[in-house]
Amino acid sequence: NAGVMQNPRHLVRRRGQEARLRCSPMKGHSHVYWYRQLPEEGLKFMVYLQKENIIDESGMPKERFSAEFPKEGPSILRIQQVVRGDSAAYFCASSPWRGGSYEQYFGPGTRLTVT
Amino acid sequence: GIQVEQSPPDLILQEGANSTLRCNFSDSVNNLQWFHQNPWGQLINLFYIPSGTKQNGRLSATTVATERYSLLYISSSQTTDSGVYFCAVNYGQNFVFGPGTRLSVLP
Repeated sequence: NAGVMQNPRHLVRRRGQEARLRCSPMKGHSHVYWYRQLPEEGLKFMVYLQKENIIDESGMPKERFSAEFPKEGPSILRIQQVVRGDSAAYFCASSPWRGGSYEQYFGPGTRLTVT
Repeated sequence: GIQVEQSPPDLILQEGANSTLRCNFSDSVNNLQWFHQNPWGQLINLFYIPSGTKQNGRLSATTVATERYSLLYISSSQTTDSGVYFCAVNYGQNFVFGPGTRLSVLP
């Protein structure tokens, strides 16, 4: 039973390029969350998605960042025109259907470096 | 929004020692999880514990939801326990993480 998969594990982009981060949830999980962790800091919630729906994007920067979770395929976090401040570890988590309370399982993260 | 605090922020132990990590939160929550982020950055689920007490080997956790805190106990610590321990609470539709406790276990 594979866990949450994220790729790539490491991504280097020059300023102004686009970064695409992928997340495949655990089998049977229909809820996906994205978090950002800056160096030496805790994780900050960015966005919560279900298949084809964005449920909560209150933690997502208003510009340059977008996320999707299509009917087929992985969830994608897209960062356009990256800047040095976007350098961070981006973690994806998934959970099973929501029945009042639920447990999140995290992927290994994607470490984005903007040069 | 909810505030999540963890103490102590840093902890240095000699191998074999015991420790208690604390997580306080400012509002009622649906659930709480403890994670260990190892030195390679991986987040490992330790406990899903909205209330009560659970044990897993040398680790145990207690959440007193009515008093808005949770404790993580590590007994007979090992060098492989080093890393950052986070608590995270489910508040509304997302999880809010505490700032973490950085644990260093010395041989």
